[in-house]
Amino acid sequence: GAGVSQSPSNKVTEKGKDVELRCDPISGHTALYWYRQSLGQGLEFLIYFQGNSAPDKSGLPSDRFSAERTGGSVSTLTIQRTQQEDSAVYLCASSFGGVREQYFGPGTRLTVT
Amino acid sequence: GDSVTQMEGPVTLSEEAFLTINCTYTATGYPSLFWYVQYPGEGLQLLLKATKADDKGSNKGFEATYRKETTSFHLEKGSVQVSDSAVYFCALVKGGSEKLVFGKGMKLTVNP
Repeated sequence: GAGVSQSPSNKVTEKGKDVELRCDPISGHTALYWYRQSLGQGLEFLIYFQGNSAPDKSGLPSDRFSAERTGGSVSTLTIQRTQQEDSAVYLCASSFGGVREQYFGPGTRLTVT
Repeated sequence: GDSVTQMEGPVTLSEEAFLTINCTYTATGYPSLFWYVQYPGEGLQLLLKATKADDKGSNKGFEATYRKETTSFHLEKGSVQVSDSAVYFCALVKGGSEKLVFGKGMKLTVNP
């Protein structure tokens, strides 16, 4: 079956612009996660959604970052007024929740110039 | 807060060498522990996991045992292959949290 997909695979944007990153989870998975992978910080949790519960936003680095998950499926991560330090690979994962395996997408490489 | 500390490397081994990647954790309660692997050009994928003390996870010749007394989850393989060249991440999930907390990752290169 299809895995987690993310788009775009690469995004280059100018400092100060807004960007939207998309994630399509595995069908039937109730939990969806966003992580960020950067050279300086390694792999960091950003936000996760579980069913109809309020999302856990505790990992979002600033109020320029937001995410939504529509209809319990597709998710969009939005970064407003991008900064150079936002350059990273943004990873999405989905699972059946709890401590079950999280399946990762290929990531979106964001470069802010 | 919860954290994972692992060997960062990079490490280069010859084929058939023995591999150990150390991983220790700090967490309240009883986390589940994972090793994820990222092969060149591919996404992160689960290698093995253990959900309680003394559990041993194993996959593809790799093993790791959940040691509560030393808060460790070291990854081992008796004989590495060129195809094992990848970045290895140790991680934990605490019950009720669901978010993975990762170590910094270790790049392994295996030469023929």
